[in-house]
Amino acid sequence: DAGITQSPRHKVTETGTPVTLRCHQTENHRYMYWYRQDPGHGLRLIHYSYGVKDTDKGEVSDGYSVSRSKTEDFLLTLESATSSQTSVYFCAISQGTGELFFGEGSRLTVL
Amino acid sequence: TQLLEQSPQFLSIQEGENLTVYCNSSSVFSSLQWYRQEPGEGPVLLVTVVTGGEVKKLKRLTFQFGDARKDSSLHITAAQPGDTGLYLCALNRGQGGKLIFGQGTELSVKP
Repeated sequence: DAGITQSPRHKVTETGTPVTLRCHQTENHRYMYWYRQDPGHGLRLIHYSYGVKDTDKGEVSDGYSVSRSKTEDFLLTLESATSSQTSVYFCAISQGTGELFFGEGSRLTVL
Repeated sequence: TQLLEQSPQFLSIQEGENLTVYCNSSSVFSSLQWYRQEPGEGPVLLVTVVTGGEVKKLKRLTFQFGDARKDSSLHITAAQPGDTGLYLCALNRGQGGKLIFGQGTELSVKP
């Protein structure tokens, strides 16, 4: 196992509320990523990090922010959740080779 | 516009049959990966292909990278119910390991 844990694994929330998803790794990998997975779209990159305090946007970053204050933790925040953000969110880690190791996913439902 | 096109999107076959899944792009890419995802879990890397014309085998799975490095195929021989899952191809944009994923091929192998 790649040593990645995501929390919470399931969450139901209401429109307009803030939500934070946490990704924790024990592998000391430099790169961390947040993807969302929706039917018909595969996996789409939201944000990624290439080091502590170093983050950048992916292809679907609107409405999301991230923070990485420690190597092992990468947080994804929805400041004001919307129904279009209902999805399964995956965290992944990499040593930069492009070979990703994924967490088990966090299923978010926004009512 | 989908950068990576996978086909077919859905495939339902009987145990023992052979199948091929295709991944195509209009762009040349440095490397391509295939992942397999089971329900409720994150994708798991199967293989990375780098060289045009490269063929890699993983038990009953054969992966091929096109000569022009714009397409790839996954062939499964004598499919088994344990092969059931979502197969994703992903191309490496060469920028910190950011991957672009295809929509996926959902395979169901019936006993």
